[in-house]
Amino acid sequence: DAGITQSPRHKVTETGTPVTLRCHQTENHRYMYWYRQDPGHGLRLIHYSYGVKDTDKGEVSDGYSVSRSKTEDFLLTLESATSSQTSVYFCAISVPRGGYTFGSGTRLTVV
Amino acid sequence: QKEVEQNSGPLSVPEGAIASLNCTYSDRGSQSFFWYRQYSGKSPELIMSIYSNGDKEDGRFTAQLNKASQYVSLLIRDSQPSDSATYLCAPPGSGNQFYFGTGTSLTVIP
Repeated sequence: DAGITQSPRHKVTETGTPVTLRCHQTENHRYMYWYRQDPGHGLRLIHYSYGVKDTDKGEVSDGYSVSRSKTEDFLLTLESATSSQTSVYFCAISVPRGGYTFGSGTRLTVV
Repeated sequence: QKEVEQNSGPLSVPEGAIASLNCTYSDRGSQSFFWYRQYSGKSPELIMSIYSNGDKEDGRFTAQLNKASQYVSLLIRDSQPSDSATYLCAPPGSGNQFYFGTGTSLTVIP
């Protein structure tokens, strides 16, 4: 989507390895979010940020950490990947009119 | 406890028919609602926002919000095969409380 990019788009990693997903926005929005989407569970909030170095946990934050050192970048780290973290990860920004704009997603497979 | 409930479907309608998608929510304080469309393998896309009780129309789409019943719906008139997707509803959220419905899968049959 315009203004928000995620990298990588796909990743396969081994259990126990660290993984970092990147979200980059060009819109200078204050709020950024990381969600995971799994069949039967829908979108669930992992962490969100309300400014540089200001972050908070969401519904499913265990096993994940985040960092935001610049307005435009929000990083999601899996310290030690597990198979239960196989999922599609979406970054989102909240937009002035309300609601979110989502990135294209990262499909992560932990083997 | 689920904050937002949607019928998961799948919902199938013939081309040209009206598709009706429904959502109930538990937070009486929700003042607005958003509908997203998600094509298979793609990210959700915001398609409708409704900020007050009643109806809001945008082209073939009509969103309806009934705060007293804690019910929100999305009607798609003259359904097209390109409308086949999963539709998600969500209140605006606050703090770390951001909830989406699990989505309703819609298939429009040509």
